[in-house]
Amino acid sequence: GAGVSQSPSNKVTEKGKDVELRCDPISGHTALYWYRQSLGQGLEFLIYFQGNSAPDKSGLPSDRFSAERTGGSVSTLTIQRTQQEDSAVYLCATASRREGDTQYFGPGTRLTVL
Amino acid sequence: AQSVTQLDSHVSVSEGTPVLLRCNYSSSYSPSLFWYVQHPNKGLQLLLKYTSAATLVKGINGFEAEFKKSETSFHLTKPSAHMSDAAEYFCASRGSTLGRLYFGRGTQLTVWP
Repeated sequence: GAGVSQSPSNKVTEKGKDVELRCDPISGHTALYWYRQSLGQGLEFLIYFQGNSAPDKSGLPSDRFSAERTGGSVSTLTIQRTQQEDSAVYLCATASRREGDTQYFGPGTRLTVL
Repeated sequence: AQSVTQLDSHVSVSEGTPVLLRCNYSSSYSPSLFWYVQHPNKGLQLLLKYTSAATLVKGINGFEAEFKKSETSFHLTKPSAHMSDAAEYFCASRGSTLGRLYFGRGTQLTVWP
C-alpha cells in the first residue's frame, strides 16, 4: 500500500517568510509525528498527535512553530517568520497499534532558508 | 529520562567482512528499541525492532541485533557487509506505546570494495 507522503520535497524560502509543510499519513494510522533532521542537532522530535488527544508539543523549538492535524488524517507543520537555523529536513512518521506501533517515515521535506 | 548513545559516528569495513554498529540506551525501564537505516536523500527505513520478546532480533537484509539488559546495549550486526549497506544507521528507543522516538546521533557506515 501507499506509504507516508510529504510535500513539497524541497522548499527554498527567504528569511522572514512563513512556510507550510504537509504530511499525508498511511491510511488508518492514528499516531503522527514530526521530527527535524539537521547536521548539528541530529534527529529531533517536534510534535506528536494521537487520535483525538491533545498533541504533545514538547519538542517545538519556539512559538514560531505550530502544527495541526485535520480530521485525524493530513497534518500541516507551519513555521512562521523563518530563520536560517530552521534549515533542515523535516520528517513525518505515522504509526498504528494494529501494526505493532512501528513508526513509518516519509521521505521528508528539505527546507532551505536563505 | 531516556537517551540513546551510538558509540561510533563513522564505521568503515571491507565488503564481505562483519559489521558491528554499537548502541547503548539509558532508561529507567526496558524500552522498545529500534534500528533504522537512511540512504542518501531518503527517509528512514526500519531494519528491526525489539519489544521485549526474544532478545536476539532478526531484521531485513541480513541484519540482527541483540538486546542485553545487563549492558544496556542493542548492537547491530551483519556477518558479511555488502556495498549496498553503505548508509547512515540510527538507533532509537521508545518508552510508551505509540510514544515518540529518542534517536542516537547516527553512525555512517562506509563499505570498501
